[in-house]
Amino acid sequence: DIQMTQSPSSLSASVGDRVTITCRASQSISTYLNWYQQKPGKAPKLLIYTTSTLQSGVPSRFSGSGSGTDFTLTISSLQPEDFATYYCQQTYSTPPYTFGQGTKLEIK
Amino acid sequence: EVQLVESGGGLVQPGGSLRLSCAASGFSFSNYAMSWVRQAPGKGLEWVSTISGSGANTNYADSVKGRFTVSRDNSKNTLYLQMNSLRVEDAAVYHCAKGSSIGWYVFNYWGQGTLVTVSS
Repeated sequence: DIQMTQSPSSLSASVGDRVTITCRASQSISTYLNWYQQKPGKAPKLLIYTTSTLQSGVPSRFSGSGSGTDFTLTISSLQPEDFATYYCQQTYSTPPYTFGQGTKLEIK
Repeated sequence: EVQLVESGGGLVQPGGSLRLSCAASGFSFSNYAMSWVRQAPGKGLEWVSTISGSGANTNYADSVKGRFTVSRDNSKNTLYLQMNSLRVEDAAVYHCAKGSSIGWYVFNYWGQGTLVTVSS
C-alpha cells in the first residue's frame, strides 16, 4: 500500500499568514493527489483534486502543487474559516486509496 | 443540493453485526460510485469500501475484507454497509461519500457520518 505522510501534524498560524502543508507519498503517484478540509464535527470537504485543480466554490487563496512523491497545499492568506484539519489522499493506480494522517491548523 | 444522510450506527458487542445506510438525494444516484470512509475517534480518515454506480463492482480495504459487504439500491437512492464480525478496532464514525466525475475515489460530497461503537 502507498503510505502518505503529512507535515507538520499541527501548525499554529495567524489570520493573514501564508501557510504551507506538505504531503509525501511512499512511491510516485504522478499527480493523483487530492486535499480535503475537515472542521470539528463536520464532514470532510474536497478542496483540490489532481494536485492543483480547485473544486468549485473553493476560494482562490488555496492552491496545490507537486508531482511524483512530494506535494504541497498552500493557503496564501489565512482566513478565520480556514482553521481546520487538512488531509491529503492519493488516488493512484489501485485501491486502497490512502489518506495522510492529517494536519491540524490552529489559531496562534 | 446534494445530501447524504447516514444512519444505523450504535453500540454493538465484539463479534456482532450492524447495517449502515446512507440516503442520497440531489443527484442521479445510479450514475456515481459511492464509498464508505471511516474515522476512529480523534484519528484520521480510512477508506473502507467502494461500489460502482451499477453495483456490479466493489472493493474493500484489507482490514474489512470478508467481514463487510457494501451494496446499494438504486431504486431507493440508498447505499448500505453490512458489517459482520465487528472488532473493537472497527469503532469509528462511518461517512458515506460520493464519487465525482473526476474519479470514483475523489469524494466531492460526504455525509456527516454515523457512529459505530464496538464494546463489551
